[in-house]
Amino acid sequence: GESVGLHLPTLSVQEGDNSIINCAYSNSASDYFIWYKQESGKGPQFIIDIRSNMDKRQGQRVTVLLNKTVKHLSLQIAATQPGDSAVYFCAENRPNFGNEKLTFGTGTRLTIIP
Amino acid sequence: EPEVTQTPSHQVTQMGQEVILRCVPISNHLYFYWYRQILGQKVEFLVSFYNNEISEKSEIFDDQFSVERPDGSNFTLKIRSTKLEDSAMYFCASTERGRVSYNEQFFGPGTRLTVL
Repeated sequence: GESVGLHLPTLSVQEGDNSIINCAYSNSASDYFIWYKQESGKGPQFIIDIRSNMDKRQGQRVTVLLNKTVKHLSLQIAATQPGDSAVYFCAENRPNFGNEKLTFGTGTRLTIIP
Repeated sequence: EPEVTQTPSHQVTQMGQEVILRCVPISNHLYFYWYRQILGQKVEFLVSFYNNEISEKSEIFDDQFSVERPDGSNFTLKIRSTKLEDSAMYFCASTERGRVSYNEQFFGPGTRLTVL
């Protein structure tokens, strides 16, 4: 079935290093993608988004890359800090499934090693 | 900074009982959502709500579920007769306008529902 999935469930990175979290999607009609961060006991927190007419977008220490050819999305976090430890979800909006709902991926747990 | 709030943080109930989960969306937001997350699984869309009616719902949102905006600030999710498989984190979200690709959804901290 159609889904947004993540390649790895866990990722450990040394503090100060860069991290890359990957996400695959299968619906070519998806036109909007978001990365969320979820810390323990909290709701998803918006990090960065990208529309399908772009292939890269940068924020503060974060970059999202979108490769529509292979339906792949990645989140790069530069110079990781202990506060980056969390579960990261990619989510997509599929216009043909409704304008208002987000479809989430499984999540990757990122652990920053001091 | 404005935020979505949810109460209670944890609700324990017996199977077959009714529960009401409460949310206070951000005050100038007009679109409201419920999502759920079964432990260790994806966050799943349940329902969106605008102008006092449901605008979209998922196949999960069956007749046992209902939503309501009883006053100008609260947004509630009711489960009429809880089942064991309803145990999950329930997240409320809100946006200023509807189309998700133009409006960030702000999530609350969630209510953990445990059905025994």
